[in-house]
Amino acid sequence: ETGVTQSPTHLIKTRGQQVTLRCSSQSGHNTVSWYQQALGQGPQFIFQYYREEENGRGNFPPRFSGLQFPNYSSELNVNALELDDSALYLCASSLGTGGSYEQYFGPGTRLTVT
Amino acid sequence: QKEVEQNSGPLSVPEGAIASLNCTYSDRGSQSFFWYRQYSGKSPELIMSIYSNGDKEDGRFTAQLNKASQYVSLLIRDSQPSDSATYLCAVWLIGGYQKVTFGTGTKLQVIP
Repeated sequence: ETGVTQSPTHLIKTRGQQVTLRCSSQSGHNTVSWYQQALGQGPQFIFQYYREEENGRGNFPPRFSGLQFPNYSSELNVNALELDDSALYLCASSLGTGGSYEQYFGPGTRLTVT
Repeated sequence: QKEVEQNSGPLSVPEGAIASLNCTYSDRGSQSFFWYRQYSGKSPELIMSIYSNGDKEDGRFTAQLNKASQYVSLLIRDSQPSDSATYLCAVWLIGGYQKVTFGTGTKLQVIP
């Protein structure tokens, strides 16, 4: 069984640029959730994708957008990067969208905005 | 009031002791609760999930849920230095759209 994978591992961008982060879900999982984790904080929910549709969104501006593909992999896109976007971006996959489905995290992408 | 609250710690316990980690949540309708372990610089790793009142045991870990008091805890028996990490409590909140909300985590230090 293949776990959740994310790419790239680390990324350095300049303020105002755009970035795309990628996630491959665990084998058999159809739901992907994205989180932002700032240093010393818990993960903050960005949004969730289920069957290629956004299934819920946290308190993040529209410049955070995403996609899910037919193979359930997903992308997180962030436009007009700001310094505060520097964080660990985590992808989690699950068997479904309900609360009884456990989420399993990938290794994360560390984004630094300068 | 934060949706999910944890004491940030650090919580220091001697090796071999029981570590007790606590979490409270605000949404009385919450039904699913999770504990994750996160080592420094790594991603969260699921330890336990609990859905009904009472205790759930898995090896050295016991999760306890009390929905009336809106309280969930994690006990780690025979604590080992390798248990030193930040422990995140996560709650699936029913209100509005579906999402899992995390606390800020409790840092546990197991002293050899």
